[in-house]
Amino acid sequence: QSALTQPASVSGSPGQSITISCTGTSSDVGGYNYVSWYQQHPGKAPQLMIYEVSNRPSGVSNRFSGSKSGNTASLTISGLQAEDEADYYCSSYTSSTTLVFGGGTKLTVL
Amino acid sequence: QLQLQESGPGLVKPSETLSLTCIVSGGSISSSSYYWGWIRQPPGKGLEWIGSIDYSGSTFYNPSLKSRVTISADTSKNQFSLRLSSVTAEDTAIYYCARSNGALVPDIWGQGTMVTVSS
Repeated sequence: QSALTQPASVSGSPGQSITISCTGTSSDVGGYNYVSWYQQHPGKAPQLMIYEVSNRPSGVSNRFSGSKSGNTASLTISGLQAEDEADYYCSSYTSSTTLVFGGGTKLTVL
Repeated sequence: QLQLQESGPGLVKPSETLSLTCIVSGGSISSSSYYWGWIRQPPGKGLEWIGSIDYSGSTFYNPSLKSRVTISADTSKNQFSLRLSSVTAEDTAIYYCARSNGALVPDIWGQGTMVTVSS
């Protein structure tokens, strides 16, 4: 299975909004509403931020939102804060009953 | 509160078998609602899903690793394990264990354990 495609890096200033894309195929992202997003700070384990395309686990800020169109999913962070600087990964359930991750995106808060 | 903790050798020789165990506390791995699995991250690189096991013992593996991976569970000890055979330097990574939901999405992670493959 091939990794989902994410931009290597994105950046934004405090208070702004940014969007990270995650592109797959009809066998993963496009075929199921099981896209998830994770935040990983250096030296830490990933933390689930979004599941089933647009749902937030308890405790996750509503500044984080997710969406999907066709084979591309997106994570939007609004009201950017310094603490949002981290690596972000998407994942999707696949038609082979497996999970595939994206390559990761480094978010820099300017 | 559910917690997961990986344990195992931090150094494995090439061609040998990597073995890790994930000890689960605050919840039962016998629950039919969840899967239990492993994810790894080579130094400075992205996440790679290794595989998962469900309450009945059914396993699901990354096709690229399937020939070398075995995930098993010991419900009496409330823990599950990973075995990766014939390791090479490319298997050097932080290995995370995690609880996953029905769509294999890891929602609670262990802290991770670094495993280096070197002679």
